[in-house]
Amino acid sequence: SQKIEQNSEALNIQEGKTATLTCNYTNYSPAYLQWYRQDPGRGPVFLLLIRENEKEKRKERLKVTFDTTLKQSLFHITASQPADSATYLCALNYGQNFVFGPGTRLSVLP
Amino acid sequence: EAQVTQNPRYLITVTGKKLTVTCSQNMNHEYMSWYRQDPGLGLRQIYYSMNVEVTDKGDVPEGYKVSRKEKRNFPLILESPSPNQTSLYFCASSLAGVLNEQFFGPGTRLTVL
Repeated sequence: SQKIEQNSEALNIQEGKTATLTCNYTNYSPAYLQWYRQDPGRGPVFLLLIRENEKEKRKERLKVTFDTTLKQSLFHITASQPADSATYLCALNYGQNFVFGPGTRLSVLP
Repeated sequence: EAQVTQNPRYLITVTGKKLTVTCSQNMNHEYMSWYRQDPGLGLRQIYYSMNVEVTDKGDVPEGYKVSRKEKRNFPLILESPSPNQTSLYFCASSLAGVLNEQFFGPGTRLTVL
């Protein structure tokens, strides 16, 4: 069956450290993978998109990797700050559908 | 300001009473989509539209209808709501589909009694 998993439901890290979130999928062959941030009670906000032929994408303190062999994307936040605390969602395309992972709730502790 | 708007933001209704949740975007986007978000199940796509008069089912279309008569509007219709449709609903749009970022509306919290 088709499935998207994100490494853990919740992740706590210390301020200043690098947060690494994992998105694994089975029985999909996405051309695009996206990462979103969602704060409680609000709509998701787009962060980064990576294509199947790209290995890595960066934007300021954010980095995304995409390994189509492992069927995995890693999302890194370097020099994390308490303001980075939120739920992070990965999303991939299935044809013209978007399919979202369950999310990882990140807490950055001061 | 570029945005996706939804109305109403909160709605409490009763089983079987038809309702419509409106969605509008001002970015001239081709692609629009509806999602529901439930604890433990994440965001699931209900319907999407690639352009005017073109709509397609997502993962959970049962019990919902949509229409796309104009580019900017994409209403979600519940003809006969049931309690299992109690959820948080999000509308989203993107320039041309899955290869572009999605912009999400603020959400509509629906309770069906």
